Amino acid sequence: AQSVTQPDIHITVSEGASLELRCNYSYGATPYLFWYVQSPGQGLQLLLKYFSGDTLVQGIKGFEAEFKRSQSSFNLRKPSVHWSDAAEYFCAVGPFTGGGNKLTFGTGTQLKVEL
Amino acid sequence: EPEVTQTPSHQVTQMGQEVILRCVPISNHLYFYWYRQILGQKVEFLVSFYNNEISEKSEIFDDQFSVERPDGSNFTLKIRSTKLEDSAMYFCASSEQGGSSYNEQFFGPGTRLTVL
Repeated sequence: AQSVTQPDIHITVSEGASLELRCNYSYGATPYLFWYVQSPGQGLQLLLKYFSGDTLVQGIKGFEAEFKRSQSSFNLRKPSVHWSDAAEYFCAVGPFTGGGNKLTFGTGTQLKVEL
Repeated sequence: EPEVTQTPSHQVTQMGQEVILRCVPISNHLYFYWYRQILGQKVEFLVSFYNNEISEKSEIFDDQFSVERPDGSNFTLKIRSTKLEDSAMYFCASSEQGGSSYNEQFFGPGTRLTVL
């Protein structure tokens, strides 16, 4: 069965510093990988996704993520964090093979940005 | 920009009562989903729905749960007899398509259900 692990429950960074949020997955085939962000009172917004091809994917709000098959990882990065990036971030994996759109999420990482 | 909406934002109920959580998916979307997140835990898939029937459900989605699209716009999740452990944030999502081709799932802001 597919699973996603986000080892960091909370991360605090200073505004302007770089950010890396970790995500490891377990899946039997080539995964479809996603990062979502949830601001307080908001729904889950898709930041970026990886299906195939270039292992470095660009997303919205200046985020990027790199798929590393050898490490079963899909870490999210941003070179310079803004105070508005404070939110909860979820990594997710989906099958999309043979039907079904079920997403399997990690437990999330709460990002705090210090001014 | 079209968005998924959910009502109410917070629902408080007594154990054993029935609750209905409502969602209005994006108008041209055909696939609908419910997920839930118990406080401090991961977001979990409950059920997906297409063409007026359930296309996939998780082991969480037992006989206490049901989904319905009562009209052309609403998508509801009913919990027949709530338990304390049903307390969670419930997210509705919709996508244009589904099945074997990926379409982005757009999520609503969630309904926080508190069972006392």
